[in-house]
Amino acid sequence: AQSVSQHNHHVILSEAASLELGCNYSYGGTVNLFWYVQYPGQHLQLLLKYFSGDPLVKGIKGFEAEFIKSKFSFNLRKPSVQWSDTAEYFCAVMYSSASKIIFGSGTRLSIRP
Amino acid sequence: DAGVTQSPTHLIKTRGQQVTLRCSPKSGHDTVSWYQQALGQGPQFIFQYYEEEERQRGNFPDRFSGHQFPNYSSELNVNALLLGDSALYLCASSLYHFSNQPQHFGDGTRLSIL
Repeated sequence: AQSVSQHNHHVILSEAASLELGCNYSYGGTVNLFWYVQYPGQHLQLLLKYFSGDPLVKGIKGFEAEFIKSKFSFNLRKPSVQWSDTAEYFCAVMYSSASKIIFGSGTRLSIRP
Repeated sequence: DAGVTQSPTHLIKTRGQQVTLRCSPKSGHDTVSWYQQALGQGPQFIFQYYEEEERQRGNFPDRFSGHQFPNYSSELNVNALLLGDSALYLCASSLYHFSNQPQHFGDGTRLSIL
């Protein structure tokens, strides 16, 4: 079955710490990959996406993600987090066979000032 | 340029009732997808509408139905409400023939079942 796994339910970091959130998806052929962010009280916003080409994708607010096809992974990274990065982060996959998006269960990121 | 708008923002119903949620897509978009986000979970795909037809459906019972209008707006209907239907319902819009463009999400309708 098509699925997405996010390894960490809740991550707590101090400001300026480096961030890496894990995401793995099940095999299903060609995929499009996304990271969405949901700030408290706000709607889902696209952080970055991968469709093809360079597997290292840069998004907004200093975030980046690396697509590793052999590991079925699309981990999100940021070298130095800020308090304003406090939010819920969702990894999502669109398989080429369908246009629906399958979301992971999300990772809540809390930043200590 | 208006983004995706959903109404109402919050709704309280009792078990057995029926509910209708509404969504207007982002200007220029022709496809609407609906998702259910239970507390502490990621959004789960319900179904997608394009050209007023249901194009794809997730693992949701027939109690969940929808409609798309000629102006691309959409409704989600849920019959015989259960306590487990309490969730945030998200609408996302996109362009059907441009699958390499991301979906845009609305703020959602929070449905509470008593």
